[in-house]
Amino acid sequence: QKEVEQDPGPLSVPEGAIVSLNCTYSNSAFQYFMWYRQYSRKGPELLMYTYSSGNKEDGRFTAQVDKSSKYISLFIRDSQPSDSATYLCARYSGAGSYQLTFGKGTKLSVIP
Amino acid sequence: EAGVTQFPSHSVIEKGQTVTLRCDPISGHDNLYWYRRVMGKEIKFLLHFVKESKQDESGMPNNRFLAERTGGTYSTLKVQPAELEDSGVYFCASRQGLRDTDTQYFGPGTRLTVL
Repeated sequence: QKEVEQDPGPLSVPEGAIVSLNCTYSNSAFQYFMWYRQYSRKGPELLMYTYSSGNKEDGRFTAQVDKSSKYISLFIRDSQPSDSATYLCARYSGAGSYQLTFGKGTKLSVIP
Repeated sequence: EAGVTQFPSHSVIEKGQTVTLRCDPISGHDNLYWYRRVMGKEIKFLLHFVKESKQDESGMPNNRFLAERTGGTYSTLKVQPAELEDSGVYFCASRQGLRDTDTQYFGPGTRLTVL
């Protein structure tokens, strides 16, 4: 079983829609979870991180962690064409090198 | 402030040849990481430098890969000899500290194609 599972999509939505992106993880010891956004031919950039359980909101973006179900979600409200990118969920390996373990990424297209 | 830069952006070589990838981290970032994404797979960790020392190289696939970070500034990743399965996008990332909230900043990647 992979440590972080993510549906690669692709996902296509009309402009203005609410987008829900999801990941599952296998190790309950994880504390920090991150969402990275990657535009074509660019490197991943950190969008949001969350710690433990609960929600974190930043503008149109909300990150949610449900430890009981081992589920990580990213919601995008009022989606824009500029949100079209690949979204990667990730977590740290833990203490030490803090290497990132990524999901495969979900490719999102927001259609004007 | 300049971000993480990588060179070249794209490299096409033949099987058996040698290729060297370069990464310049953000100035002042002691932590430097190499990752790789093979087509259809997730981005995977290769190794981690703290300054010039290898902190963790558990993700290096085999001894055909050699990473260096002389002087604790830029880093190189050499593949010798390259094989077909080495094709992919190689990302470098840097990070200032090792607190949970310290961000890893990624470069644009080097796309390596081995023919």
